[in-house]
Amino acid sequence: AQTVTQSQPEMSVQEAETVTLSCTYDTSESDYYLFWYKQPPSRQMILVIRQEAYKQQNATENRFSVNFQKAAKSFSLKISDSQLGDAAMYFCAYRSGGADGLTFGKGTHLIIQP
Amino acid sequence: DGGITQSPKYLFRKEGQNVTLSCEQNLNHDAMYWYRQDPGQGLRLIYYSQIVNDFQKGDIAEGYSVSREKKESFPLTVTSAQKNPTAFYLCASSPGLRGNQPQHFGDGTRLSIL
Repeated sequence: AQTVTQSQPEMSVQEAETVTLSCTYDTSESDYYLFWYKQPPSRQMILVIRQEAYKQQNATENRFSVNFQKAAKSFSLKISDSQLGDAAMYFCAYRSGGADGLTFGKGTHLIIQP
Repeated sequence: DGGITQSPKYLFRKEGQNVTLSCEQNLNHDAMYWYRQDPGQGLRLIYYSQIVNDFQKGDIAEGYSVSREKKESFPLTVTSAQKNPTAFYLCASSPGLRGNQPQHFGDGTRLSIL
């Protein structure tokens, strides 16, 4: 079975600075996908960014980018120019090539200091 | 607007009672999922369905049941066999069978025991 580990229960960053959230995963599959989801206090799950394992290029979405190290099974999220609205729980998630569900890490609570 | 509707937002269950959580989507998605979220934990997969009249158990299916009679609907029943049902329940859907297709989430139902 796949596992996803987020080793940082909580992170704090000053507004406008850059923060990196860590995620590692364990799998024996070669075809898989990785995701970062944001969960604000409203509890809604919002997709932030996704990465296909077969792609070497790191995904980027505006201020959000990932550092995908396939050999190390690492998938970190970098948030640049942090904004107050970025404050939330962030979950790293894994999905195999089929249509089964996501496997989530336990999350990182991100605090933005004004 | 297309989306996923979960109802009710809050639900209370008496001991020994079955309760059903509703999930409806108008995104024309084939696949639907149920997750459970406990404090300090990520989401865990309960059941998922790839097509009508077919569904598979996830990681924590014991004490739960589902049906998929219509493409748009995927209700979850929390039975009296589920000894610790208090949690936040999230329904999700994705377009189809490809792993890179992100899951879209509803706003969740909070279930509590009276």
